[in-house]
Amino acid sequence: GAGVSQSPSNKVTEKGKDVELRCDPISGHTALYWYRQSLGQGLEFLIYFQGNSAPDKSGLPSDRFSAERTGGSVSTLTIQRTQQEDSAVYLCASSPHSNNEQFFGPGTRLTVL
Amino acid sequence: SQKIEQNSEALNIQEGKTATLTCNYTNYSPAYLQWYRQDPGRGPVFLLLIRENEKEKRKERLKVTFDTTLKQSLFHITASQPADSATYLCASSGSARQLTFGSGTQLTVLP
Repeated sequence: GAGVSQSPSNKVTEKGKDVELRCDPISGHTALYWYRQSLGQGLEFLIYFQGNSAPDKSGLPSDRFSAERTGGSVSTLTIQRTQQEDSAVYLCASSPHSNNEQFFGPGTRLTVL
Repeated sequence: SQKIEQNSEALNIQEGKTATLTCNYTNYSPAYLQWYRQDPGRGPVFLLLIRENEKEKRKERLKVTFDTTLKQSLFHITASQPADSATYLCASSGSARQLTFGSGTQLTVLP
């Protein structure tokens, strides 16, 4: 079946612009995660959605970052007023429920000039 | 907060040998640890999960151990092949149901 998909695969933007990154999780997966991975680094947790519960936003680095998950499926990560330090690969993962293996998408490589 | 430490340097081994990767956690003993493989330009792929009360888990040529006394997990690949070359990530379950990842160990299996 289809895995987790993310779009766009690459995004180049200018400092100060807003960007939206999209994640389509595996159908039926109730848990959805966003991570950030800088070059040569591990994955940094950003935000977690589980069903209809309030999201865990504890990993968001600043209030310029926000995320939504509509209808328990597609999620959008928005970064406002992008900065150069936001450049990284943004990875989305879904899971049948929390405390399970996570299925990752291919990521969106964001470059802020 | 939990910290996950993995071999920071790259690991090179000869084909056919056993690769052993180390993952150390610093604080509380997690309910489980997970190991993922990541190839360049791709998202991580799940390999194995080992729970706190399990000492060892195997899957084909892979073996994972969990030592709560040493606060350590070891990940072994036996009869390694060049196709096993990748970055391997260790992840710890957290109190908030999200994973804390290490920075990964880059493994190269030389033919």
